[in-house]
Amino acid sequence: ILNVEQSPQSLHVQEGDSTNFTCSFPSSNFYALHWYRWETAKSPEALFVMTLNGDEKKKGRISATLNTKEGYSYLYIKGSQPEDSATYLCAFMGDSGAGSYQLTFGKGTKLSVIP
Amino acid sequence: GAGVSQSPSNKVTEKGKDVELRCDPISGHTALYWYRQSLGQGLEFLIYFQGNSAPDKSGLPSDRFSAERTGGSVSTLTIQRTQQEDSAVYLCASSIRQGSYGYTFGSGTRLTVV
Repeated sequence: ILNVEQSPQSLHVQEGDSTNFTCSFPSSNFYALHWYRWETAKSPEALFVMTLNGDEKKKGRISATLNTKEGYSYLYIKGSQPEDSATYLCAFMGDSGAGSYQLTFGKGTKLSVIP
Repeated sequence: GAGVSQSPSNKVTEKGKDVELRCDPISGHTALYWYRQSLGQGLEFLIYFQGNSAPDKSGLPSDRFSAERTGGSVSTLTIQRTQQEDSAVYLCASSIRQGSYGYTFGSGTRLTVV
């Protein structure tokens, strides 16, 4: 069973604060690491797909880094806004060598931004 | 269509009955995935289809669960003899193909077994 851990489980920040959270995953058989944002009453929305060690991706005020050798990824949000309130999911895709790829999700970090 | 469509959005069923959940993926997406989220749990992989290849069924929790994908497009997840522990949100997603491509999720079916 693959272990994908996210921390913290939940987070409350003031509007304008910057924040970050962590995803840890197996460091072997790495293929890809995904980040999704899941707002209440909506569908999960893809933020980033990262495949290379050292990858850094950015989308507006949100960015992510990837370390495949040690098995972790950080998601950063700069200047949090109330609309950033959501659960942020990371998901690990491993290369089993059998040609079958599917994502194993962490339980998410629930972010609440207080106006 | 423009997005991944799932139906019904909500389903309440009696224990022991069979249910069918439907997913219509984005046109041209060859990979289709089913996940579920039970209360307090993370997203749990159930099954995925890639083109005409045999599906990866490794996540199906019991033989009461089955899924098919007709014509490489619409998929149906069937749960036979439903149990209360089957209550969850069932999410479908599609991607251009398997591998390092982002998933587009549907809005889910909330299944409640009473």
